[in-house]
Amino acid sequence: GENVEQHPSTLSVQEGDSAVIKCTYSDSASNYFPWYKQELGKGPQLIIDIRSNVGEKKDQRIAVTLNKTAKHFSLHITETQPEDSAVYFCAATVLYNQGGKLIFGQGTELSVKP
Amino acid sequence: EAQVTQNPRYLITVTGKKLTVTCSQNMNHEYMSWYRQDPGLGLRQIYYSMNVEVTDKGDVPEGYKVSRKEKRNFPLILESPSPNQTSLYFCASSLIAGAYEQYFGPGTRLTVT
Repeated sequence: GENVEQHPSTLSVQEGDSAVIKCTYSDSASNYFPWYKQELGKGPQLIIDIRSNVGEKKDQRIAVTLNKTAKHFSLHITETQPEDSAVYFCAATVLYNQGGKLIFGQGTELSVKP
Repeated sequence: EAQVTQNPRYLITVTGKKLTVTCSQNMNHEYMSWYRQDPGLGLRQIYYSMNVEVTDKGDVPEGYKVSRKEKRNFPLILESPSPNQTSLYFCASSLIAGAYEQYFGPGTRLTVT
């Protein structure tokens, strides 16, 4: 079955710097890769996703890149702000007619220092 | 407001005392799921439900039960809790399984002594 590895487990950056979180997946059939942000005391919330027919997707300060050959995808946050501090989860799934099962990475705790 | 609600938010109990964590969504979603979150292990799926009366095991189902008698509700039942079930639990729902955004509840912090 699918396995998703996420690195690093913790990441500390200065406000204004960029942050990069990387994930690798094992199932070459996976075709949907969402990223979730979990703020303290809350449930995870989808922030961006990418499908396997696209190599990169951007939404303001966040972007996700996908390398299908290497089976890895990354989250990039530019111009980090203190409110970006949270735990980030990557996930992967194989989409089919009835849907798909999300497999999550281990999570990255991002700390942005003012 | 579209949301997933869970109750209780915090629970401390003793080994063997049956408990139920409720989950309800108001978005008419077909798919609902329970996850547990443990440090270094991420989110692991316990059980999921594709629709009313249709449930199936996730990756870590041992020691848990679920039911889906109504579309909006998906309670998690621990018949005989043990300390290794101390964890942070999340209920989630989506239009269909995996393909669309999953909406997570606020979490239930469970401690079993």
